[in-house]
Amino acid sequence: NAGVMQNPRHLVRRRGQEARLRCSPMKGHSHVYWYRQLPEEGLKFMVYLQKENIIDESGMPKERFSAEFPKEGPSILRIQQVVRGDSAAYFCASSDVPNTEAFFGQGTRLTVV
Amino acid sequence: GENVEQHPSTLSVQEGDSAVIKCTYSDSASNYFPWYKQELGKRPQLIIDIRSNVGEKKDQRIAVTLNKTAKHFSLHITETQPEDSAVYFCAASDSSASKIIFGSGTRLSIRP
Repeated sequence: NAGVMQNPRHLVRRRGQEARLRCSPMKGHSHVYWYRQLPEEGLKFMVYLQKENIIDESGMPKERFSAEFPKEGPSILRIQQVVRGDSAAYFCASSDVPNTEAFFGQGTRLTVV
Repeated sequence: GENVEQHPSTLSVQEGDSAVIKCTYSDSASNYFPWYKQELGKRPQLIIDIRSNVGEKKDQRIAVTLNKTAKHFSLHITETQPEDSAVYFCAASDSSASKIIFGSGTRLSIRP
């Protein structure tokens, strides 16, 4: 079991471009969570998805940010028209059932220049 | 929604001494409380968790206590070692929302 895989590990985007972050959950896991972490800060909840459904997106900005977890393929966090303030580490985590251990990926470090 | 507060934000202890990190939560429906350790530049990893039907859980040098009435829970690390230096996060989730909300983290440093 390869664990939770995120790619890319590092992503550099110019202001105004789009960023696409991918997360492949552990095999058998159908629950995916995305978190954002600024340097020296905590893990801020963004969105919780199950296959083909967004369960809770209360932590995600209403504009420019979207997330999906299709029936086939990885979960995608998409940030349109990136700004400098979007620079952060974005972690995804997965679990097989809710309210159990969530396994984290290595994170994608997004830098907006 | 759930709000988790964690303190202290930084903690420095002498090697061999104990470290205690405390958290409070707001949602009385929360019933799952994991603790994660994050080393510099790495992913958070679960070190111990506790459910609301249990008051205490221990795993070698690590223990967690839960007070449901007061809505607070604590992490205790005994006989600290240099490799315990990291950032520790507490978290809470409830069965209806199922999302995991994290505290702001505690940077633990072990002095040789």
